[in-house]
Amino acid sequence: DGGITQSPKYLFRKEGQNVTLSCEQNLNHDAMYWYRQDPGQGLRLIYYSQIVNDFQKGDIAEGYSVSREKKESFPLTVTSAQKNPTAFYLCASSFSGQYGYTFGSGTRLTVV
Amino acid sequence: QKEVEQNSGPLSVPEGAIASLNCTYSDRGSQSFFWYRQYSGKSPELIMSIYSNGDKEDGRFTAQLNKASQYVSLLIRDSQPSDSATYLCAALNNNAGNMLTFGGGTRLMVKP
Repeated sequence: DGGITQSPKYLFRKEGQNVTLSCEQNLNHDAMYWYRQDPGQGLRLIYYSQIVNDFQKGDIAEGYSVSREKKESFPLTVTSAQKNPTAFYLCASSFSGQYGYTFGSGTRLTVV
Repeated sequence: QKEVEQNSGPLSVPEGAIASLNCTYSDRGSQSFFWYRQYSGKSPELIMSIYSNGDKEDGRFTAQLNKASQYVSLLIRDSQPSDSATYLCAALNNNAGNMLTFGGGTRLMVKP
């Protein structure tokens, strides 16, 4: 079955630690996106990539980094520079956006 | 700045009633519109898309689009407690990078 897989489902980060969230899709979608969602809030765009080896900053890119070395994969690293990383992180993909986005099941990141 | 606006709610309706969710958008170039349902703690799920003026029906759901007035709505007939969720409206401008702009969502509560 085609889909988009995020792992892990839950992640705990210590202060000053970098962590990487995985996002893999087998839908043959060109574009991939990372969103952050805080409790009771809407989606905020962190980074997006419309083609392999290229990506752009979204509205809240500070403290995050991404790579897009393969069409299927778009990992997100939450660096120690992100001072308030506790949130629900959602990865999405699309085939040019025309048919909407498909979301992964999300990763819930907590700072301990 | 392109915006999609939704009343955050909560919108409370009794079981069996019609729930009406509304969304307005500022970008007149938007051509495609999507409704996502997001259960608490879960990722958004695409439930309806609409591309032309008028109504589009799918089971208990009807999406309505009025491009002249720049609003989109979602009607849920025979509302069930299982419809209780946050509903996100999104707009796509095909000529602006194929990016979806999301509204903040409306929380719907269907009371038994």
